[in-house]
Amino acid sequence: GENVEQHPSTLSVQEGDSAVIKCTYSDSASNYFPWYKQELGKGPQLIIDIRSNVGEKKDQRIAVTLNKTAKHFSLHITETQPEDSAVYFCAAPSDAGNMLTFGGGTRLMVKP
Amino acid sequence: DSGVTQTPKHLITATGQRVTLRCSPRSGDLSVYWYQQSLDQGLQFLIQYYNGEERAKGNILERFSAQQFPDLHSELNLSSLELGDSALYFCASSAGTPNGYTFGSGTRLTVV
Repeated sequence: GENVEQHPSTLSVQEGDSAVIKCTYSDSASNYFPWYKQELGKGPQLIIDIRSNVGEKKDQRIAVTLNKTAKHFSLHITETQPEDSAVYFCAAPSDAGNMLTFGGGTRLMVKP
Repeated sequence: DSGVTQTPKHLITATGQRVTLRCSPRSGDLSVYWYQQSLDQGLQFLIQYYNGEERAKGNILERFSAQQFPDLHSELNLSSLELGDSALYFCASSAGTPNGYTFGSGTRLTVV
């Protein structure tokens, strides 16, 4: 089945700096890659996703890049703010495409 | 409010007992997914239902079972509970695959 690895597991940045989280996946047929943000006591929330026919997608301060050849994708957050502090998960579809396999998560801490 | 409703929000029960977690998907979504999140752990896929039928199964214990009803709500049944079953249980729904999920706010199960 699909295997998704996520790095780093924790990331501490100063407010205003950029943060980058990286994920690799194993199934070369995967074609959809979402990112989720989970705040304390809440369920994960989809923040951005990318499909395999594009290499980059931006939404204000967040962007996702995809390298299908290397089978990795990354989340970029610019001008970080304290409210960006949360756990972030990447995901990729299973072999059958029925469900998402999640990375282990990255705890991002933005220090004021 | 994500549109996915999970009840109850919290559940405390004793070892050996049985509990039922309930999920109502977002309006129009036919797929329901159940995930388990233990303390400081990632999201482990349990099971998926699509329009009333089981579609995919993860590492779900034999003590656990689920079903999706004609009105599309789903229930996850956990029996012979053990201390290690204490976790957050999330339900998510989607309109189809592959697409991003919408997660509920979760049920926190504590087995004492």
